[in-house]
Amino acid sequence: SQQGEEDPQALSIQEGENATMNCSYKTSINNLQWYRQNSGRGLVHLILIRSNEREKHSGRLRVTLDTSKKSSSLLITASRAADTASYFCATEKIEGAQKLVFGQGTRLTINP
Amino acid sequence: GAVVSQHPSRVICKSGTSVKIECRSLDFQATTMFWYRQFPKKSLMLMATSNEGSKATYEQGVEKDKFLINHASLTLSTLTVTSAHPEDSSFYICSATGLAGVVDTQYFGPGTRLTVL
Repeated sequence: SQQGEEDPQALSIQEGENATMNCSYKTSINNLQWYRQNSGRGLVHLILIRSNEREKHSGRLRVTLDTSKKSSSLLITASRAADTASYFCATEKIEGAQKLVFGQGTRLTINP
Repeated sequence: GAVVSQHPSRVICKSGTSVKIECRSLDFQATTMFWYRQFPKKSLMLMATSNEGSKATYEQGVEKDKFLINHASLTLSTLTVTSAHPEDSSFYICSATGLAGVVDTQYFGPGTRLTVL
């Protein structure tokens, strides 16, 4: 079964607005991570939230985790044109030996 | 810190040839490296996990004889696509984890775009 399914698949907003992306997963996890990928480039690690954590902040990023609903959200506040990228959630399963399972990603476009 | 490089960044080869892609951790020792494959506008699919000095563990459906992985040192892993065919064209990304940065975090290389003619 698919882990880490994001929604929406694509999101287009105006600069300065907040962007919220959601991720759902199916099995128990050690942690959930969010990554960013600019077109044709590698992944940049944004934030890791462990299964015993509910919320985490890093700069303009806010991540929540609800293990009862097996879901997470990534909020980017005061978006900038440079935030345009694809965002992926990835889950590390409990028995996963650090293996990450990636969702399909959300393509975020920030319009100036 | 925690920088991972890949070489080459882009390669075009003829069908039937083999291509080697290198993944290096530049400023830390990578106890484990992962190889992923990504199709256009799609997600990353884990191909294999490699630990230094031992055989790689391949994910279901990944041909180990076609995608040869060697993790000879704590800073270098290589992926060789043998007898490449057009369907092997893809974006290959490695990641490394080890004694650096945030525990449990995988640090990704910039990727290698392989085009097989």
